[in-house]
Amino acid sequence: DTGVSQDPRHKITKRGQNVTFRCDPISEHNRLYWYRQTLGQGPEFLTYFQNEAQLEKSRLLSDRFSAERPKGSFSTLEIQRTEQGDSAMYLCASSLTGTGVANYGYTFGSGTRLTVV
Amino acid sequence: QKEVEQNSGPLSVPEGAIASLNCTYSDRGSQSFFWYRQYSGKSPELIMFIYSNGDKEDGRFTAQLNKASQYVSLLIRDSQPSDSATYLCAVIVDGNKLVFGAGTILRVKS
Repeated sequence: DTGVSQDPRHKITKRGQNVTFRCDPISEHNRLYWYRQTLGQGPEFLTYFQNEAQLEKSRLLSDRFSAERPKGSFSTLEIQRTEQGDSAMYLCASSLTGTGVANYGYTFGSGTRLTVV
Repeated sequence: QKEVEQNSGPLSVPEGAIASLNCTYSDRGSQSFFWYRQYSGKSPELIMFIYSNGDKEDGRFTAQLNKASQYVSLLIRDSQPSDSATYLCAVIVDGNKLVFGAGTILRVKS
């Protein structure tokens, strides 16, 4: 297992286009998280899944954003009708979390850098 | 009030000195605390976690936690130029998600 993988690494798109990012977590991890990070800020929580269930969505996540984890393995994050303000690094992370399991933090992927022009 | 607060820096220290990075958090129920290092253009990398009051040491790094004061710190001994990065403090909130501070930029001058 080589860790958390994200694809693509970079994406340049025109305003108004739709984009989709993919994340493959560490295989034995049951939770998957999406964060967004802009320059000079820490990562901001967007949403997370436990197995295939989406358990929480941030108020930051407008209705143009949708995330899925259909079989409890990889996840996709789609942004519809992109805006320049969507330009950011989109980070995926995974963890093994549960009752009686110590939380050792999240492992992050390399991120997808989105530029909307 | 933000959930996790850090001084943005930059914090400049000479090579070989101790760098001290600080963080405060607002959720009194938080039990798990993390420090991540992030190099420019890269993703965050976990370097320390701490759950109990007191100190936890790992090599040149020491994490300190004071739950009564809602305060977490990271000490880096014998700082090296390769330690120059942004250090992110993160706290588990609502038992479910990791919330990050904005990060402190550390510059180690040789």
